[in-house]
Amino acid sequence: NAGVTQTPKFQVLKTGQSMTLQCAQDMNHNSMYWYRQDPGMGLRLIYYSASEGTTDKGEVPNGYNVSRLNKREFSLRLESAAPSQTSVYFCASSEGQGDKDGYTFGSGTRLTVV
Amino acid sequence: SQKIEQNSEALNIQEGKTATLTCNYTNYSPAYLQWYRQDPGRGPVFLLLIRENEKEKRKERLKVTFDTTLKQSLFHITASQPADSATYLCALDMNTGFQKLVFGTGTRLLVSP
Repeated sequence: NAGVTQTPKFQVLKTGQSMTLQCAQDMNHNSMYWYRQDPGMGLRLIYYSASEGTTDKGEVPNGYNVSRLNKREFSLRLESAAPSQTSVYFCASSEGQGDKDGYTFGSGTRLTVV
Repeated sequence: SQKIEQNSEALNIQEGKTATLTCNYTNYSPAYLQWYRQDPGRGPVFLLLIRENEKEKRKERLKVTFDTTLKQSLFHITASQPADSATYLCALDMNTGFQKLVFGTGTRLLVSP
């Protein structure tokens, strides 16, 4: 099925460990995004990539890095995980320009940092 | 500060009734607004988009209004069904020319048979 694929679906990390969350889309979308969702806080933008080769910070970028590997793939890296990064992480993609369609989201990665 | 407000309390309605959800915002001038549905353990799913120059948009049993003077959008589900039970999120475009959305915290809708 076409869409956004995120891996892994679940992860438990110890404080200080690093990991990379993977995201791939097969809709030929230009733009990709990483959000985190916490209870009572809603979805908050971490980083985004307007097009292949570009990345920009969102609302809550501290503690994260991203790589737009190619048009399909956009990864999120936690270099030294902290308990405050316990959250559900969503990757999304869109055409990026215009006002015709919304985002397509992946099913999320549930990350717990202990 | 910029803020998007959705009712944090769950909305409980009976099957067949019309559900109305509210999204209010301050200090934004969005070019358009979107509504998403999110089921537990899943990612949000795009439902409808309404532009700043549109008053109303419909799709099957869904209707969205957008009042830029009141800074408010209303989301209606007519003839609601238990399968409509979910959390509904509104999202505003930041009007930068590039599609970058800011999301509200969502309102949970519970439709009982």
